[in-house]
Amino acid sequence: EVQLVESGGGLVQPGGSLRLSCAASGFTFSNYAMHWARQAPGRGLEYVSAINSNGDSTYYTNSVKGRFTISRDNSKNTLYLQMGSLRAEDMAVYYCARVRGSAWYSDYWGQGTLVTVSS
Amino acid sequence: QSALTQPRSVSGSPGQSVTISCTGTSSDVGSYNYVSWYQQHPGKAPKLMIYDVSKRPSGVPDRFSGSKSGNTASLTISGLQAEDEADYYCCSYAGSYTWVFGGGTKLTVL
Repeated sequence: EVQLVESGGGLVQPGGSLRLSCAASGFTFSNYAMHWARQAPGRGLEYVSAINSNGDSTYYTNSVKGRFTISRDNSKNTLYLQMGSLRAEDMAVYYCARVRGSAWYSDYWGQGTLVTVSS
Repeated sequence: QSALTQPRSVSGSPGQSVTISCTGTSSDVGSYNYVSWYQQHPGKAPKLMIYDVSKRPSGVPDRFSGSKSGNTASLTISGLQAEDEADYYCCSYAGSYTWVFGGGTKLTVL
């Protein structure tokens, strides 16, 4: 059974940093690209960042470029999102999702971890 | 890029059919046959319902179908059931490893 379990969310002050983790199991993690997506309270979904299967290609939505870094450790079956210079508008539930297909849709999602940015 | 446009809400009675539209532009929906649809129940993670415009993952009932015409994609749910009540989001590939979601549609089963 495919499982994705996010962790690392919490309360952080504006301008602060946080590192999210996503532990993957039930599939060969190193064979799949991965997304980080987020959903602000009461709002819609947004892909934040993506990484290919071996980690040498990464992609970011414009609003997080230069502030967030996606990475992965295939030996630990874990995906990461290092978030810096956090802003109020980054407050959201962050999901990791497994990528499939030519258009990189997401066939499995974790349950999410909440990031709260507030002073 | 701007979000895809979805109706904020739709509703239908059990057994009826409903269609949720998702309107983009010639740079996203109109350019690629890469529209996906996600169902999200309150407090839960999204679930993939349709990918590549009209393909269903295994396990998704055939009551769910997708289509596209020009810059508008659609999700049709036939034989509505109570458990279909949820939020639905469309997503389109927009080129150069960018994606755009719709704002979401709340489906109410009356």
